[in-house]
Amino acid sequence: SQKIEQNSEALNIQEGKTATLTCNYTNYSPAYLQWYRQDPGRGPVFLLLIRENEKEKRKERLKVTFDTTLKQSLFHITASQPADSATYLCAFRMDSSYKLIFGSGTRLLVRP
Amino acid sequence: EAGVAQSPRYKIIEKRQSVAFWCNPISGHATLYWYQQILGQGPKLLIQFQNNGVVDDSQLPKDRFSAERLKGVDSTLKIQPAKLEDSAVYLCASSLGSGVGQPQHFGDGTRLSIL
Repeated sequence: SQKIEQNSEALNIQEGKTATLTCNYTNYSPAYLQWYRQDPGRGPVFLLLIRENEKEKRKERLKVTFDTTLKQSLFHITASQPADSATYLCAFRMDSSYKLIFGSGTRLLVRP
Repeated sequence: EAGVAQSPRYKIIEKRQSVAFWCNPISGHATLYWYQQILGQGPKLLIQFQNNGVVDDSQLPKDRFSAERLKGVDSTLKIQPAKLEDSAVYLCASSLGSGVGQPQHFGDGTRLSIL
């Protein structure tokens, strides 16, 4: 079955550094990937979408890459700030289904 | 614009009791989703509506869970009877449509604890 994996260990970095989060998928080639941010006690908030024919997408300090050969998406936050501390979820949807499949998320901690 | 509204925010019940959650999506959003999020996991889709019709309910435990979306707007999700493993956050989301790439807008969920 389709599987999407994110690093379950928290990523702890110093303010000002670049945070890089990884999302790997198996047993399918999704048409696109979405990234969401989730704060404790809140619902996920949509951040970015990247399609399979796009290598890279940017939005302010955020950058997402999509490598269909490696079956991997990388999510970067440059010049990270303590306010960026949250759990980041990746998700993909198959062409044949309306269902969005989420990874378990990676928690990011940015130290001041 | 107002976001997705959910109530209640918290609910504590004993196993075998019943519970209902309510969701009001963003105005004009045709697609509505109910997700279950267990602690430490990502959201798992339970059911998806397009207007008031069910698009996908393949992961809904139909022996105990039910959902409806009357008039294509508000929706309710019910669990009867509840089991210990149903302890989770139940998230409602909506989107303009179900087309490729449509971002989903989530409410803050109902945290359900089963004693």
